[in-house]
Amino acid sequence: AQSVTQPDIHITVSEGASLELRCNYSYGATPYLFWYVQSPGQGLQLLLKYFSGDTLVQGIKGFEAEFKRSQSSFNLRKPSVHWSDAAEYFCAVGGRGGADGLTFGKGTHLIIQP
Amino acid sequence: DTAVSQTPKYLVTQMGNDKSIKCEQNLGHDTMYWYKQDSKKFLKIMFSYNNKELIINETVPNRFSPKSPDKAHLNLHINSLELGDSAVYFCASSRTDSPLHFGNGTRLTVT
Repeated sequence: AQSVTQPDIHITVSEGASLELRCNYSYGATPYLFWYVQSPGQGLQLLLKYFSGDTLVQGIKGFEAEFKRSQSSFNLRKPSVHWSDAAEYFCAVGGRGGADGLTFGKGTHLIIQP
Repeated sequence: DTAVSQTPKYLVTQMGNDKSIKCEQNLGHDTMYWYKQDSKKFLKIMFSYNNKELIINETVPNRFSPKSPDKAHLNLHINSLELGDSAVYFCASSRTDSPLHFGNGTRLTVT
């Protein structure tokens, strides 16, 4: 069965500091990997995705993620966070077919300190 | 030009009632989904529809029934609502090899 683990429930970062959110996955085939962000009271917005090719993927809002097959990880990074980055971040894994949907991690709540 | 829209945004109702949530996508996607987000923010897939066929039913109680009149719509009907049904329900759509696009959610409160 597929699963996603986000080991950090909450992370607090100072504005301007770098950020790394961890994600580990379990999937029986070639995974498609995603990071979504959810602001309070809002839906989920796609930050970036990995399907194949270059293992370092760039997303919106200055985020990037690196796929490491040997570690079954897909960590999200940002070199300098802004107060507007405060939100809930979800890592997800799915298959190529799409119809199976995505399996999400439990999310990491990002708090930005001034 | 909203890609995935769901209505209503908020739904407050009493136990035992029957309610529906509507979802429409204008992206031309061939698969639509319903996800439930609980109070701890955990997202779990409930259903997906691909070309009017139910693909997944993740052990959801049969009080929940998805209905898809066409590829652009996937409505969620809930019968005999229970307190535990209170959650945020998200509609989403996708096509093969593409990410899911989510609606803004419907917050259901059962009293």
